[in-house]
Amino acid sequence: AQKITQTQPGMFVQEKEAVTLDCTYDTSDQSYGLFWYKQPSSGEMIFLIYQGSYDEQNATEGRYSLNFQKARKSANLVISASQLGDSAMYFCAMREKDYGGSQGNLIFGKGTKLSVKP
Amino acid sequence: NAGVMQNPRHLVRRRGQEARLRCSPMKGHSHVYWYRQLPEEGLKFMVYLQKENIIDESGMPKERFSAEFPKEGPSILRIQQVVRGDSAAYFCASSQGRLPSTDTQYFGPGTRLTVL
Repeated sequence: AQKITQTQPGMFVQEKEAVTLDCTYDTSDQSYGLFWYKQPSSGEMIFLIYQGSYDEQNATEGRYSLNFQKARKSANLVISASQLGDSAMYFCAMREKDYGGSQGNLIFGKGTKLSVKP
Repeated sequence: NAGVMQNPRHLVRRRGQEARLRCSPMKGHSHVYWYRQLPEEGLKFMVYLQKENIIDESGMPKERFSAEFPKEGPSILRIQQVVRGDSAAYFCASSQGRLPSTDTQYFGPGTRLTVL
């Protein structure tokens, strides 16, 4: 079974509008971390935001926020006031056993391609 | 620039040759991860190393692939006798490895390997 599911292969958003990119995850661990990365057409992977499973507040970083719904096992990324430079692939990732002393690998979803229209 | 460095950025090899990919972690980072990205796919974990130690190689193919992170110098991912299916982007990430583990992995620009 897939551990990270991103159901939207592609999304379009009008410049200056907000957009939500979906991510659901599957784990039996109690402690885990959720990450979002951006991959522009140039290919590098850029860290955007992190949410720990024990964090009570939703994470925010500038125009990025993470809508964390633990019971539903979802960690959607919200980008406010979209800009043309936001056009890229966006990957949701999870690290299990996040607080257990094991700095483990990230498990990635297949990504969502976001296109921002002028 | 104190980011994760990878070289070469692009590498072309013929079938049967060896590919060596290098990764220098961010300053102050002692943990290195290698991932592979096939076209239109997310990244897949290969191996996790600390200095002179392989911590987790569960994602690494059993044959032809090896990785090291020596006491001095960059981490090396080595692919022997490359085949066309090895064509992919290979990313290195590094982290500080501090606890509790809100440890973020920062990625290098990747090496695009093309096998002819």
